[in-house]
Amino acid sequence: EPEVTQTPSHQVTQMGQEVILRCVPISNHLYFYWYRQILGQKVEFLVSFYNNEISEKSEIFDDQFSVERPDGSNFTLKIRSTKLEDSAMYFCASIRTSGSGNEQFFGPGTRLTVL
Amino acid sequence: RKEVEQDPGPFNVPEGATVAFNCTYSNSASQSFFWYRQDCRKEPKLLMSVYSSGNEDGRFTAQLNRASQYISLLIRDSKLSDSATYLCVVKGNGANNLFFGTGTRLTVIP
Repeated sequence: EPEVTQTPSHQVTQMGQEVILRCVPISNHLYFYWYRQILGQKVEFLVSFYNNEISEKSEIFDDQFSVERPDGSNFTLKIRSTKLEDSAMYFCASIRTSGSGNEQFFGPGTRLTVL
Repeated sequence: RKEVEQDPGPFNVPEGATVAFNCTYSNSASQSFFWYRQDCRKEPKLLMSVYSSGNEDGRFTAQLNRASQYISLLIRDSKLSDSATYLCVVKGNGANNLFFGTGTRLTVIP
């Protein structure tokens, strides 16, 4: 069964450093997403990406964040100058088409710890 | 105002019990509704979509009341393996991103 993969599974970084979280969506999917979940809190939408551009973003997704699809398979989230409060699980998700009822498939997540 | 609200629980029930979770959402234009399951430190996984007519999948039954903006999940004959956090999830109109509730934690006790 195809699945979304993410690397690394755990990233530890110093405050102020840049990190890049990587995702490989399911191969025939067209819409890609990043979500985050701070420990003990709800899953929060960050950004959606379609046709090589951002289609929506939340208030959380400020200038510190950027996304890129550098080739046909990878989808990355870059966090510049990390802050302590960026510590969270970051989930990538993908979906083949938009529309009601279509399931978003989530990757296993990257646990980011900012020290 | 929260987009999606759920009782966080925890719900501790014995094996074989029936348990129900409720959820309300604030955006009346929301189009799609789901229950996801999340195990500790894992990704959310779709349990079932929720349709206006109500739908059932084995021991799980989901209901949607659009007038009250209310979603429910009923689990019958609880198993130990049902222990998890159940996330109420809503997709807005014209948007593909999902809005998650905080989740309801269920523990099924032997």
